[in-house]
Amino acid sequence: GAGVSQTPSNKVTEKGKYVELRCDPISGHTALYWYRQSLGQGPEFLIYFQGTGAADDSGLPNDRFFAVRPEGSVSTLKIQRTERGDSAVYLCASSLDVSNTGELFFGEGSRLTVL
Amino acid sequence: AQSVTQLDSQVPVFEEAPVELRCNYSSSVSVYLFWYVQYPNQGLQLLLKYLSGSTLVKGINGFEAEFNKSQTSFHLRKPSVHISDTAEYFCAVSRGAAGNKLTFGGGTRVLVKP
Repeated sequence: GAGVSQTPSNKVTEKGKYVELRCDPISGHTALYWYRQSLGQGPEFLIYFQGTGAADDSGLPNDRFFAVRPEGSVSTLKIQRTERGDSAVYLCASSLDVSNTGELFFGEGSRLTVL
Repeated sequence: AQSVTQLDSQVPVFEEAPVELRCNYSSSVSVYLFWYVQYPNQGLQLLLKYLSGSTLVKGINGFEAEFNKSQTSFHLRKPSVHISDTAEYFCAVSRGAAGNKLTFGGGTRVLVKP
């Protein structure tokens, strides 16, 4: 498709389980971003990639969260030992490159619910 | 560090009436400013941005925003809203040297009534 694709759109899991969320950016976009949006709040930055490397992971809340982008395209956000507080919508965005200031293209998000 | 405050969490407005959404930011360095819109069941999309130059910025769908450095504000306006403008609007800032790492406000939900 033409836009940023995120799967799954909804994920319900139990506390303590492992979860993977996938993002397929717009073709040709070298920069990829993960944000988290809790209910009633604006998106919060988690991590961004330029190519295959994580250029800034300062927003990851703790070491249970990890993200990869091995081939510079698709990215996976991994959450270990999920907690109820991890429940949120996880947003992925891409841009042509990091100098294309502000032109982020967002996916529809993956809604994670931890019971 | 920078932060963004959207003073109104919800704004009800009648169709064809004007609307203003308020955004204030704090930052110790120069910033770039943005408004994103999220329509129901869709991803966020860029409405407009201020990088430099003219402080009045025009965006898509008839929206405009004015950058006021002395008041550290970037309020969004539309002179006449349509039902289709019902959405959530987010103000965001970034530092140019930080790439496209955006700091978002909490959002303002606009409900346009007929």
